[in-house]
Amino acid sequence: GQQLNQSPQSMFIQEGEDVSMNCTSSSIFNTWLWYKQDPGEGPVLLIALYKAGELTSNGRLTAQFGITRKDSFLNISASIPSDVGIYFCAGHPNTGTASKLTFGTGTRLQVTL
Amino acid sequence: DGGITQSPKYLFRKEGQNVTLSCEQNLNHDAMYWYRQDPGQGLRLIYYSQIVNDFQKGDIAEGYSVSREKKESFPLTVTSAQKNPTAFYLCASSPGTSGYQETQYFGPGTRLLVL
Repeated sequence: GQQLNQSPQSMFIQEGEDVSMNCTSSSIFNTWLWYKQDPGEGPVLLIALYKAGELTSNGRLTAQFGITRKDSFLNISASIPSDVGIYFCAGHPNTGTASKLTFGTGTRLQVTL
Repeated sequence: DGGITQSPKYLFRKEGQNVTLSCEQNLNHDAMYWYRQDPGQGLRLIYYSQIVNDFQKGDIAEGYSVSREKKESFPLTVTSAQKNPTAFYLCASSPGTSGYQETQYFGPGTRLLVL
């Protein structure tokens, strides 16, 4: 199955720094989702995007649906230790058929004090 | 509280044994999904069901089977034909399968280990 290109694969940052990660696809998506997964737990939905160009915030998190419909970005401002985890993007073409979500390979975020 | 529950949290399987992983949701969602996650990798779709009494194979269905007899339940059986079953298994559900209804919500996962 297709997978999205997500970058960076991992990152170390200091507490208080801002974080940026992105996801790109070779095909167009009409839905972009961002999830966070803690070790040994299921992914938790952070932000859902349904319209090209849409910019949506959830607390310190901001995500954008790229104009080309082939990418999405997630920013975390003023990182804190509990931001540690793996962040996944997911896209859906919404073609009206039994299409399925495609997931990125994840960005592992580690925060140093 | 509405949500998705998976049991057990940890499951051990002996060689040649079938095991069944439970997934229950009380969100009144039509669609349910099973994913497999291996260390350092993304999620791979095993099976999904858009409606009761119907299900389709995902990308890695070989060695697995499912049933959808009730809207709230979507159990996954890992059969002896699955030669490398050790993984973290995630169940998800979504309100539907088009547009915003495709937004999926995940359970806490079951870790399967082979003895």
